[in-house]
Amino acid sequence: IAGITQAPTSQILAAGRRMTLRCTQDMRHNAMYWYRQDLGLGLRLIHYSNTAGTTGKGEVPDGYSVSRANTDDFPLTLASAVPSQTSVYFCASSDRTTGELFFGEGSRLTVL
Amino acid sequence: DQQVKQNSPSLSVQEGRISILNCDYTNSMFDYFLWYKKYPAEGPTFLISISSIKDKNEDGRFTVFLNKSAKHLSLHIVPSQPGDSAVYFCAARNAGNMLTFGGGTRLMVKP
Repeated sequence: IAGITQAPTSQILAAGRRMTLRCTQDMRHNAMYWYRQDLGLGLRLIHYSNTAGTTGKGEVPDGYSVSRANTDDFPLTLASAVPSQTSVYFCASSDRTTGELFFGEGSRLTVL
Repeated sequence: DQQVKQNSPSLSVQEGRISILNCDYTNSMFDYFLWYKKYPAEGPTFLISISSIKDKNEDGRFTVFLNKSAKHLSLHIVPSQPGDSAVYFCAARNAGNMLTFGGGTRLMVKP
């Protein structure tokens, strides 16, 4: 059972470069989310999608964009990476009836 | 301003003793609270939850207590085991089904 798959696992990126973090789920959940984890700040929501074809902004959306062309995939794009975007990124999906989130294993991104 | 706060960044407990992790929130509209556990290099995993209409939920060694008047919840682990060593995040859900997370508490259970 795969659940949530994220790629890449880690990446070092030069500032100003474009980067897309990939996320795929096989649980047929309608809702998907992108969080970033920073020390002392916990998990902060970047963008979310309640269903295919719709997206919404979370707590820290600036510098990021998402798309939801189908139920399974929810890529996160950094159009022009900056050092403050150095973080661990977690993709998640949820069963809307319970609200429980299922997380991927994370993508560690370092922007130099 | 953080709506969900975990004021202790770390906690060290002896194996077999009780671990108590605390969480405070400010938004009285939160209706559901969850605890997630995270090991290094892994994603967070769901541990236990509680509805705002309850004050206690127990699952094996894990119990979550909710004090709505104080806007405070706590996670009790008893007895603590070395395998419980991880970062624990509390989270609160609003009417829009969005979760807001606390900053996390790193628990270390010493053998």
